[in-house]
Amino acid sequence: QLQLQESGPGLVKPSATLSLTCTVSGGSISSGSYYWGWIRQPPGEGLEWIGTIYYSGSTFHNPSLKSRVTISVDTSKNQFSLRLSSVTAADTAVYYCARHPAAGRTVGSYYGMDVWGQGTTVTVSS
Amino acid sequence: QAVLTQPASLSASPGASASLTCTLRSGINVGTYNIYWYQQKPGSPPQYLLRYKSDSDKQQGSGVPSRFSGSKDASANAGILLISGLQSEDEADYYCLIWHSSVYWVFGGGTKLTVL
Repeated sequence: QLQLQESGPGLVKPSATLSLTCTVSGGSISSGSYYWGWIRQPPGEGLEWIGTIYYSGSTFHNPSLKSRVTISVDTSKNQFSLRLSSVTAADTAVYYCARHPAAGRTVGSYYGMDVWGQGTTVTVSS
Repeated sequence: QAVLTQPASLSASPGASASLTCTLRSGINVGTYNIYWYQQKPGSPPQYLLRYKSDSDKQQGSGVPSRFSGSKDASANAGILLISGLQSEDEADYYCLIWHSSVYWVFGGGTKLTVL
């Protein structure tokens, strides 16, 4: 059964870069049948999609965060990662990684998230 | 105006049915979109419930009971999650999601369902 596990520092200083990794187990990130995404949820608030990556490296970003977000994939480790630069207190949130089923052979054609990791809490504070 | 609007809260009685709405912004036609629904309980990640585009194009999440179903109300330009035979364990936050070309993936603000 596919599982996703987020990892990374729980505390990040303002203006620094937040770095998280999602490790995929029970399936290959290179299968081509799925895309891999990041979503976050500030305390007491709703969900916000951050971005999504395909094993080939093609990425799709939330326009509101695009200038600060880097998503990468390491197929050898079956992992994908998120980097969010110039963080502020507004970036404090639970960060989730998730799987998107591909919707066909066209790159960029994929469905919504169907499997989620447990999430990791990141606090931005000095 | 938000792309997706959900009522903040809804209450219903055990055994009854609850209809959760997800209204699309004017100018975005619900008929052309897949509407995704998620359930989130406190301290847990969202759980995928279902995808609904039409009666002939829909998908139930793995292990999701059939008492969770999707539909659309074209006149209201809204997606609907219907939960029948409400149980206390259905008390949770529910989010809708669509893919829109201008913002890619966007979630609704969520509805807190209380079963009492």
